[in-house]
Amino acid sequence: GESVGLHLPTLSVQEGDNSIINCAYSNSASDYFIWYKQESGKGPQFIIDIRSNMDKRQGQRVTVLLNKTVKHLSLQIAATQPGDSAVYFCAENNNAGNMLTFGGGTRLMVKP
Amino acid sequence: EPEVTQTPSHQVTQMGQEVILRCVPISNHLYFYWYRQILGQKVEFLVSFYNNEISEKSEIFDDQFSVERPDGSNFTLKIRSTKLEDSAMYFCASRLDLNTGELFFGEGSRLTVL
Repeated sequence: GESVGLHLPTLSVQEGDNSIINCAYSNSASDYFIWYKQESGKGPQFIIDIRSNMDKRQGQRVTVLLNKTVKHLSLQIAATQPGDSAVYFCAENNNAGNMLTFGGGTRLMVKP
Repeated sequence: EPEVTQTPSHQVTQMGQEVILRCVPISNHLYFYWYRQILGQKVEFLVSFYNNEISEKSEIFDDQFSVERPDGSNFTLKIRSTKLEDSAMYFCASRLDLNTGELFFGEGSRLTVL
């Protein structure tokens, strides 16, 4: 079946370095993608989104890149901080936009 | 800042018992969702709800599950006869409309079935 998945289950970075979290999706009909951050014991928290008519979108310290040719999504976090430690999920919007499908998650660990 | 609230935060129940998880979505939102997350796994879609009816549901959302919005405020998930494998975090989410893509999630209700 179609799915959204992640390449790396755990990413460990040094505080201050940049982080890149990757995601592959398989549903070519998906037109909207979101990155969520989930801290331990909490619900997913919206970070940034991107529509399929764009290939890059920037937020505060975060950038999402979308490569539709290879169905790849990435989240870049600049100057990673200890507070960025969490599990990051990509999600795709499909089926006329009513349902989000989540990928498997990547745990980001920031070393001081 | 408006938020989605969920109760209870944690419920322990015996297998075969009925459970109701409650959610208060953000007040002006039109789309409501339930997701679940088994410990250490990804967030899985259960059901979406719009205009007082289910709009989409997953294979997980079988006859043991039901949702309703009885009073225009609360959005509930009922599991009629819980099984061990229903143990998970259940997240409620709401969305203003389909043009505003972001889903706002609650903090979750942890269900433990013994």
